[in-house]
Amino acid sequence: GQNIDQPTEMTATEGAIVQINCTYQTSGFNGLFWYQQHAGEAPTFLSYNVLDGLEEKGRFSSFLSRSKGYSYLLLKELQMKDSASYLCAVYNGGSQGNLIFGKGTKLSVKP
Amino acid sequence: DAGVIQSPRHEVTEMGQEVTLRCKPISGHDYLFWYRQTMMRGLELLIYFNNNVPIDDSGMPEDRFSAKMPNASFSTLKIQPSEPRDSAVYFCASSYTGTGTDEQYFGPGTRLTVT
Repeated sequence: GQNIDQPTEMTATEGAIVQINCTYQTSGFNGLFWYQQHAGEAPTFLSYNVLDGLEEKGRFSSFLSRSKGYSYLLLKELQMKDSASYLCAVYNGGSQGNLIFGKGTKLSVKP
Repeated sequence: DAGVIQSPRHEVTEMGQEVTLRCKPISGHDYLFWYRQTMMRGLELLIYFNNNVPIDDSGMPEDRFSAKMPNASFSTLKIQPSEPRDSAVYFCASSYTGTGTDEQYFGPGTRLTVT
């Protein structure tokens, strides 16, 4: 089967660091995406990992461990505008159509 | 480019009515995807096209749903007849290639309410 797990909600303080975890069990694996989705808006691409390790992009970093079926998204120097849902998605091979999304983690950033 | 365009942005209809959602992908993108998002089930892939040809429609919930892509710049998702459980946000997305490294660009979505 295909399963992607993320916490449903998280709360953090402006200026702090937050880590959003994602675990997956899928029939195949060829990469993991993180998307950001503000309320009432479309998902937008944040990061992509296919090899183990950390990918850093400004205030956002994404980590992958394929052996553990685990990824996390790290957000530093949190800003109010980071309040959004963060979707983990696994590409399990073949065409792009095999992109499986988790249900997302709703992050609330408080002053 | 204007990005992926969807219409209408909001649709309210009564049970039993036909609903047609429209999508214009980003020019030059060969892949087009239709998703449905609900609180309970998250973002689910319904169907996707490559060069206007449907590749995988296994996510289409039942025969009431159909999708077409008559040309590279237009696609429709039709629900006939609609039911209250079809209420959701429907997203269209496109990507340049079908490889796993290629991000998908999402449209703003159509919020469908079936009463």
